[in-house]
Amino acid sequence: EDQVTQSPEALRLQEGESSSLNCSYTVSGLRGLFWYRQDPGKGPEFLFTLYSAGEEKEKERLKATLTKKESFLHITAPKPEDSATYLCAVQVSQGGSEKLVFGKGTKLTVNP
Amino acid sequence: KAGVTQTPRYLIKTRGQQVTLSCSPISGHRSVSWYQQTPGQGLQFLFEYFSETQRNKGNFPGRFSGRQFSNSRSEMNVSTLELGDSALYLCASSFSTYYGYTFGSGTRLTVV
Repeated sequence: EDQVTQSPEALRLQEGESSSLNCSYTVSGLRGLFWYRQDPGKGPEFLFTLYSAGEEKEKERLKATLTKKESFLHITAPKPEDSATYLCAVQVSQGGSEKLVFGKGTKLTVNP
Repeated sequence: KAGVTQTPRYLIKTRGQQVTLSCSPISGHRSVSWYQQTPGQGLQFLFEYFSETQRNKGNFPGRFSGRQFSNSRSEMNVSTLELGDSALYLCASSFSTYYGYTFGSGTRLTVV
């Protein structure tokens, strides 16, 4: 069964304190790995897609990396506005199409 | 560019009733997927439609159904509502699954 595990469940940082979020996965056929950000009461907002081990992508203070078994979302010098739940999802093949299998997310709080 | 629009935003229904939720995808996107988000289970895949055909289905009972119209707009229906159906229902549209999915803000369904 396809599984995605995110750690930690919650993370509190001080503004400027860098850290990393982890997403480990066990899937039968990985098509891609997605990172989303979700604010309370809103839908997930797309951040990155990674397709192959060794791939890295950056956007402002965020950098996502991918290995064969896990992905990391590195947050450099975070600001309070980076507070949100970060979701990791793997795209897997099923029934001639694809679907996303999500982790439970990491709730990030950045204190000023 | 308009995003994915879901209506209504909030809904309160009584156990045993049925409900229909609507999703208008981004113009040009022919794939529409539905997800259920609960605090305990996170985001779980319901089904995916492409060109009016259901291509993929998650592990949900038959009370959950959907359809897609020729203009790519999609509806999902839940019959005989149960308390456990209370959740945020999210719709995501895609031009090509290779390029990822854009989510709407969701419909918050409360069953009382």
